[in-house]
Amino acid sequence: TQLLEQSPQFLSIQEGENLTVYCNSSSVFSSLQWYRQEPGEGPVLLVTVVTGGEVKKLKRLTFQFGDARKDSSLHITAAQPGDTGLYLCAGGHNYGQNFVFGPGTRLSVLP
Amino acid sequence: KAGVTQTPRYLIKTRGQQVTLSCSPISGHRSVSWYQQTPGQGLQFLFEYFSETQRNKGNFPGRFSGRQFSNSRSEMNVSTLELGDSALYLCASSPGYGNYGYTFGSGTRLTVV
Repeated sequence: TQLLEQSPQFLSIQEGENLTVYCNSSSVFSSLQWYRQEPGEGPVLLVTVVTGGEVKKLKRLTFQFGDARKDSSLHITAAQPGDTGLYLCAGGHNYGQNFVFGPGTRLSVLP
Repeated sequence: KAGVTQTPRYLIKTRGQQVTLSCSPISGHRSVSWYQQTPGQGLQFLFEYFSETQRNKGNFPGRFSGRQFSNSRSEMNVSTLELGDSALYLCASSPGYGNYGYTFGSGTRLTVV
């Protein structure tokens, strides 16, 4: 079983602060995705990274895939209350195999 | 482009009953995956259907089953419901190949009493 760990489990910060959350595994993934889930809704895909060392930016969010393709980080600059939610990472292997999800980091951004 | 539609949104059932949940994927997507989400276990993979065939299966008992129709719509069924089956059941649609991510529905909140 390939497991994904995420840290921290919970994070509560003030609006305007920066933060980084992590996703780690002992397995190598062919791709890794980040999702954000709000209460009562399904997760929404934020980004997919496929190349070791890859960095992608989505407005104030920066995603990095580790060189060995076993870990990833999500950095948020100047967090806003709208960033509040459960951030999930998911690792995928080859064609035709399902993605494995981490337990998530629950972020709360206070105004 | 319509999103992933799951019905019903909420369901209350009694122990021992059975339930059927429905998912309509994005048009053109051939893969439908089902996940169970609970506060304690997070997102747990149930099964995936691709072109009407079960392609992958998670570690759930045989009481959990599913199927996919020729129009890619999918249903999952849980028989002999237990209290522990109370969860948010999420359906995820994808093209079924490559590294495309999932598009999730809003889920069905099942409560077993």
